[in-house]
Amino acid sequence: DAGITQSPRHKVTETGTPVTLRCHQTENHRYMYWYRQDPGHGLRLIHYSYGVKDTDKGEVSDGYSVSRSKTEDFLLTLESATSSQTSVYFCAISKQGGTDTEAFFGQGTRLTVV
Amino acid sequence: SQQGEEDPQALSIQEGENATMNCSYKTSINNLQWYRQNSGRGLVHLILIRSNEREKHSGRLRVTLDTSKKSSSLLITASRAADTASYFCATDALDYKLSFGAGTTVTVRA
Repeated sequence: DAGITQSPRHKVTETGTPVTLRCHQTENHRYMYWYRQDPGHGLRLIHYSYGVKDTDKGEVSDGYSVSRSKTEDFLLTLESATSSQTSVYFCAISKQGGTDTEAFFGQGTRLTVV
Repeated sequence: SQQGEEDPQALSIQEGENATMNCSYKTSINNLQWYRQNSGRGLVHLILIRSNEREKHSGRLRVTLDTSKKSSSLLITASRAADTASYFCATDALDYKLSFGAGTTVTVRA
């Protein structure tokens, strides 16, 4: 299995609080992605990174920010959590961007905002 | 809106039958990939087909790509209970983003 770890695996937080999810990889892959998965919507891209300090927005980036200060870590921050951000969050890594190489996924983080 | 869409949303078949699902996308692509997701788990890559390929096989999987129609199909032959999962196509719209559709949920009945 590709070395990709998400933490925490489960979290319950209150509306209005900041939350940070961590994605850690040991594969030295250049590209890292954050997705959210909700029933009926499949996976939607939040943000992605194509190198250290190089990030870009996906289709549902409002209310989220990211940082990548090291190759191995990609952090997703919910600046002020809302109930609409209750979801399962997946991190993915790939050696090359887009569909050029396969992506490897973490096990997911189930976030509940109450 | 999402780049790719799978059809049908759900599919129920008997063990041993074939399962076919389709993916349509909106813009030109470099390649197209298919992934499988078992309940509660992360996605697992199944197969990659390049934009200059029309058909590709991997074990019991057969993928076709028609760039003129902006569509792809995934065929699983001789299905097994272990094939019960959700299947997603992934496209890139000629950039570094990796976009998924809503998926097809396949149930294989014993």
